[in-house]
Amino acid sequence: DADVTQTPRNRITKTGKRIMLECSQTKGHDRMYWYRQDPGLGLRLIYYSFDVKDINKGEISDGYSVSRQAQAKFSLSLESAIPNQTALYFCATSDLVAGGTDTQYFGPGTRLTVL
Amino acid sequence: AQTVTQSQPEMSVQEAETVTLSCTYDTSESNYYLFWYKQPPSRQMILVIRQEAYKQQNATENRFSVNFQKAAKSFSLKISDSQLGDTAMYFCAFMNLGAGSYQLTFGKGTKLSVIP
Repeated sequence: DADVTQTPRNRITKTGKRIMLECSQTKGHDRMYWYRQDPGLGLRLIYYSFDVKDINKGEISDGYSVSRQAQAKFSLSLESAIPNQTALYFCATSDLVAGGTDTQYFGPGTRLTVL
Repeated sequence: AQTVTQSQPEMSVQEAETVTLSCTYDTSESNYYLFWYKQPPSRQMILVIRQEAYKQQNATENRFSVNFQKAAKSFSLKISDSQLGDTAMYFCAFMNLGAGSYQLTFGKGTKLSVIP
């Protein structure tokens, strides 16, 4: 079973629509992240959360919002989708273990197309 | 701000041969981690290997090893005995431990094709 799941896996929507992407994890990690991947640009950070009460903007947060409903759930919303938000979206989790490396583990991704 | 550069957009290697993927980064920080992630056609991002900057010894994971040159800010990935399943995009990533966000900064990736 996957430790980090994302729903939906694929979504097509229209300009102006509100859409929510969901992420759930069973790894017990405190930290969760949302990234966006565009062709030729690698992944870029949208938002991150270190616990339920801690939400922070990343590099490209404009046009997005997030909600950390529980330790295991972190949702990304596009309030009014626009075509340049067409991309592959990844959720990631991590847990800083004392003396260890804060390694991030990724979900399978959601491919979003905005028409 | 940190930048990560992967200068090889595409590479190919014969099955069972060895290939090295290049990565350089630019930072003024001293405390950081470096990673290589693999993204096969399934699009899943899979951790390949990680390196702590304070460690002089190069990391190794089975057929995967790195050549970490801190002074040169270079972090190359060597894949030995290449297998068809190694065909994927490979991303080099940097994590600045002093930034507070623990975010990953990614390069643009290298597309590796393993040829039978």
